[in-house]
Parts: sequence; structure tokens; C-alpha cells
Amino acid sequence: GQQLNQSPQSMFIQEGEDVSMNCTSSSIFNTWLWYKQDPGEGPVLLIALYKAGELTSNGRLTAQFGITRKDSFLNISASIPSDVGIYFCAGPYTGGFKTIFGAGTRLFVKA
Amino acid sequence: SAVISQKPSRDICQRGTSLTIQCQVDSQVTMMFWYRQQPGQSLTLIATANQGSEATYESGFVIDKFPISRPNLTFSTLTVSNMSPEDSSIYLCSVEAGQGMSTDTQYFGPGTRLTVL
Repeated sequence: GQQLNQSPQSMFIQEGEDVSMNCTSSSIFNTWLWYKQDPGEGPVLLIALYKAGELTSNGRLTAQFGITRKDSFLNISASIPSDVGIYFCAGPYTGGFKTIFGAGTRLFVKA
Repeated sequence: SAVISQKPSRDICQRGTSLTIQCQVDSQVTMMFWYRQQPGQSLTLIATANQGSEATYESGFVIDKFPISRPNLTFSTLTVSNMSPEDSSIYLCSVEAGQGMSTDTQYFGPGTRLTVL
């Protein structure tokens, strides 16, 4: 079935550094979603991408929908301590309404 | 987007008991989803709940263990039955906001953190 491979699994960075994480699949996705989950909370949608090649920003976050529709990346610029959390990529099953999630990238930011 | 609330936010339960989790949405939605997130893991879909029909369960999840109600377009409940310590997880309610196409996005409630002793 469709799977999302997310990397890296975790990142330890210094405040102010830029961060890049990505998500790949052997299957084509029509939508790529990036969520952030703070400790003890539900995931919050950061960016939604609907078109191959699309590049979208949300403040210090930038995400791109790969041209092959099989990958996406999320960049965070000038990281701050509140960026700490788990970042999930996600996408709906082709032809269905379910959404599948990557394993998550755990981000730790040292002040 | 949609605003989703869940009750309880957390609970500690004894083995063999059952817990019902409530999910309330601030707008009418067609599809509601229940996820489980085991400690340190990603989200796993338990079932999809549509109003007026039985929930559709994913492989590995059964109605007897996780009965779901969907009495109207803004509310759903998930019951975790005959609990064991392996059921200790965060349970998340989610809704799909949009036109019902596969390009719609999902929004999540804050989750219910369940610990089974």
C-alpha cells in the first residue's frame, strides 16, 4: 500500500539554525500536508500543498510539492525554541478519503 | 478550518474497564475520523465515522473493541472497551473540512491521553 517515508527521524539543532526535513513515497500523492504536534496536543496543520511543483510559505516555514508528486520537503528558517515538536507529513490515499502519515521528525532546539 | 474539542483530555483507567471519548466539532462535517497514537509513534487510523451509517474500521481494529457512535454531523464518540495496558495511547478525533474531495485536509482535536493500569 501507499507509504510515506519521512526523514530525518530526529534533529537536534541550535536556535537560529535552518532546518530541512523531507518526505518521500513510491506512490503518487495529489496532496501533501505538513503538521506539527506539540507535546500533549493534537497535530496542527502548517501547510497544505495541492499542486505539483507548488512552493508555499507560512511565516518562517516553506514547503514544496515535488514535481514528480512523490516527495515534499519542509524548511524552517531561523529556528526558535517553540519550534520544538514532531513534524508529520501526510497525504490522502489516492482515490480515497483516508489520510496516511509519515513516522514524524522530532525536532529539538537548543537555546 | 474546524474547531474540535475532546473530552476527557486525559484519564487513568483500570484494566478491564471501558472509557468513552467524546468529540465535538463547531460545524457540520460529513466525515469524522478516530486515530490512535501510541507513545512515540505516528498516527494510526482506527475508523471512519459517517453520520447515519456504521463506522468503517481499519485492519486490526474491530467494533467490539472500539465501538463508535455518530448521532449527528457535529458529534461522535469512541469507546475503548475492556481496556488493557496496551491500550494506553493518545486518541485523536479528526474531521475533514472541504468539499469531500481527496484533496481536502484534516483537522485534529487536542487528543485524549489514556493510561491503563
